[in-house]
Amino acid sequence: GESVGLHLPTLSVQEGDNSIINCAYSNSASDYFIWYKQESGKGPQFIIDIRSNMDKRQGQRVTVLLNKTVKHLSLQIAATQPGDSAVYFCAEKSGGFKTIFGAGTRLFVKA
Amino acid sequence: NAGVTQTPKFQVLKTGQSMTLQCAQDMNHEYMSWYRQDPGMGLRLIHYSVGAGITDQGEVPNGYNVSRSTTEDFPLRLLSAAPSQTSVYFCASSYSTTGASTDTQYFGPGTRLTVL
Repeated sequence: GESVGLHLPTLSVQEGDNSIINCAYSNSASDYFIWYKQESGKGPQFIIDIRSNMDKRQGQRVTVLLNKTVKHLSLQIAATQPGDSAVYFCAEKSGGFKTIFGAGTRLFVKA
Repeated sequence: NAGVTQTPKFQVLKTGQSMTLQCAQDMNHEYMSWYRQDPGMGLRLIHYSVGAGITDQGEVPNGYNVSRSTTEDFPLRLLSAAPSQTSVYFCASSYSTTGASTDTQYFGPGTRLTVL
């Protein structure tokens, strides 16, 4: 069945280093992927998205990579800052109205 | 724009009580949805609506009702609260559901519900 999972539940990085958060998905029909950031006590916030016809997309300090061959998605955060500390969710859609979310990875940024 | 607003922020219920979680958006979004978030399980879809007068079930609809009489509002009703419904509830809205970037969902701040 469909599932979106994360390789690591917790990631700790040094301030200024780059962070990489990974996500695996199992539905080969998924055609749209989204990364969300959720800070403590708040709702998820959109970071970046990518369509299945792309393998890379860049935003401000963030890059999403999509490898359809191995059904893998990653979020790269450049020069990680304390404000990046949060839980990050990947999500996927395969058409229709439903978005499936992964369980989340908690990112800790050490000063 | 206020975006997506939810009330209340916190609620404690006793088993068997009913209540309504309110959700409103001022972005003229057609698509609205309710999720619950439990530790280690991500977000699970309860109910969704693709427009006023249209609702449908998500992944975990049992014990919840919804209605969509206006574009702006999408309340979630707990009919008879149970301890298993203790969770954080998020409402979200998006402009479309076509698989484009306009599908981006905007989330409210959440309602933390405890059922004793």
